[in-house]
Amino acid sequence: EVQLIESGGDLVKPGGSLRLSCIASGFSFSNVWMNWVRQSPGKGLEWVGRIKTRHDGATTDYAAAVKGRFTMSRDDSKNMMYLQMDSLKVEDTALYYCATDFSTAYFGSWGQGALVTVSS
Amino acid sequence: EIVLTQSPGTLSLSPGERATLSCRASQSVSGRYLAWYQQKPGQAPRLLIYGASTRLTGIPDRFSGSGSGTDFTLTISRLEPEDFAVYYCQQYDASPPSIAFGPGTKVDIK
Repeated sequence: EVQLIESGGDLVKPGGSLRLSCIASGFSFSNVWMNWVRQSPGKGLEWVGRIKTRHDGATTDYAAAVKGRFTMSRDDSKNMMYLQMDSLKVEDTALYYCATDFSTAYFGSWGQGALVTVSS
Repeated sequence: EIVLTQSPGTLSLSPGERATLSCRASQSVSGRYLAWYQQKPGQAPRLLIYGASTRLTGIPDRFSGSGSGTDFTLTISRLEPEDFAVYYCQQYDASPPSIAFGPGTKVDIK
C-alpha cells in the first residue's frame, strides 16, 4: 500500500524559512516523479512543484508563485522528499501535500498534508 | 497560463440522482490533459479520471468524464451516499510545465 507522510509544518514569520519532509513507502520511490501540492481556503488547490527521478536527471519544475523561493530535493536512499521554503509570505499559508506523479500530468497518491502558517 | 472555472459552485442533489459537473478552460487543453479529483472533508484529493475520460482502476463506472478543447464534464450517473464531496478538475501543460486546478464543485445532499 502506498503511504506518504509529510512532516515539518509549523508557524513561521513572514520572511522566514521552513523545510518540509515527505517519507514514502509501499512503492519504488526512486522510480517515481514526486510533487508538492498545497491547499488554502483562499486559493484552493495549487501545484507547487515536482522533482523527477535520478534517471531523468532529478530536475525540478516550480510554479511561478514559488520559483526562486522554494527548492525541492530527494534522497532515494531514505525514500524521502524535501521542500525547502525560504522568504515565506503570508500567502504561502496552506496545507502542503506530497503526491506521486501519475502519467506525468496528474497526481496519483497523496499524503495527509503538513500545515504551514505564515503570520507575524 | 490556463485558468479553469467550474460550475456550478454547489450542486444539491438526492442519492440516486444524476450529477453533471462542468469544467471550462480559458484556452484549449492540449492532449486532453484534464483530470478530475474527489475530496471529502479531512481527506486528501483522490484521482478519479484522467485524460478527460479514463477512469482510474477501481473507480466505479458510475463516474464518467467527457469533453475536449475547453469544455469538460464529469458525470455521476446515480449518486451514492459516499459520492457527496467536492470535485476538482485539473489540467496540465507540458511546455513549460504548468498545472492548474479549478475552484471545485461541491455536491451536497438535498
